[in-house]
Amino acid sequence: AQKITQTQPGMFVQEKEAVTLDCTYDTSDQSYGLFWYKQPSSGEMIFLIYQGSYDEQNATEGRYSLNFQKARKSANLVISASQLGDSAMYFCAMREVSGAGSYQLTFGKGTKLSVIP
Amino acid sequence: KAGVTQTPRYLIKTRGQQVTLSCSPISGHRSVSWYQQTPGQGLQFLFEYFSETQRNKGNFPGRFSGRQFSNSRSEMNVSTLELGDSALYLCASTQASGYNEQFFGPGTRLTVL
Repeated sequence: AQKITQTQPGMFVQEKEAVTLDCTYDTSDQSYGLFWYKQPSSGEMIFLIYQGSYDEQNATEGRYSLNFQKARKSANLVISASQLGDSAMYFCAMREVSGAGSYQLTFGKGTKLSVIP
Repeated sequence: KAGVTQTPRYLIKTRGQQVTLSCSPISGHRSVSWYQQTPGQGLQFLFEYFSETQRNKGNFPGRFSGRQFSNSRSEMNVSTLELGDSALYLCASTQASGYNEQFFGPGTRLTVL
């Protein structure tokens, strides 16, 4: 069963507008972490934001915020005031905190975001 | 603080050969993980090393192996290369406490001909 689902293969957004990238996850663990990464065409994975399963507040990092709805098992990324440099692939990932504290991440298939001037 | 470095950045090999990729984590990070990224399968976990011990392994054949040295640097090796091994190999390092994020290196792009 797919653990991380990103249903939007591609999205377009106008520059300076906000955009929401969807992510749903599946786990039976109570303790887990959710991550969003950005991957430009150069290939490097850039960490954007993290949300722990026990965090009561939604995580925010600058223009990035994570809309965490635990009961619905969703962790959507909101990018405010989009910039041309935001055009990239975006990956949602989950770390299940079981099994000797392993740092294994499970990734979704990604969403390709294109920002239009 | 220097980021995660990976060498080489690009590699071209032929089927049947073997290859070794290197990863130097961020200073102070003790956990190193490896991921394979392909257009068809996406990002898949290969293995994780912590304090020179393999702590977790993904669903890959035994041709894929790795190790970690006392300075936390890690290498992964792929023997008897197949065309399907062509991929971007990403290394990530993590501090060994809490639920810290993984920081990724720029990757090694391997092409098998």
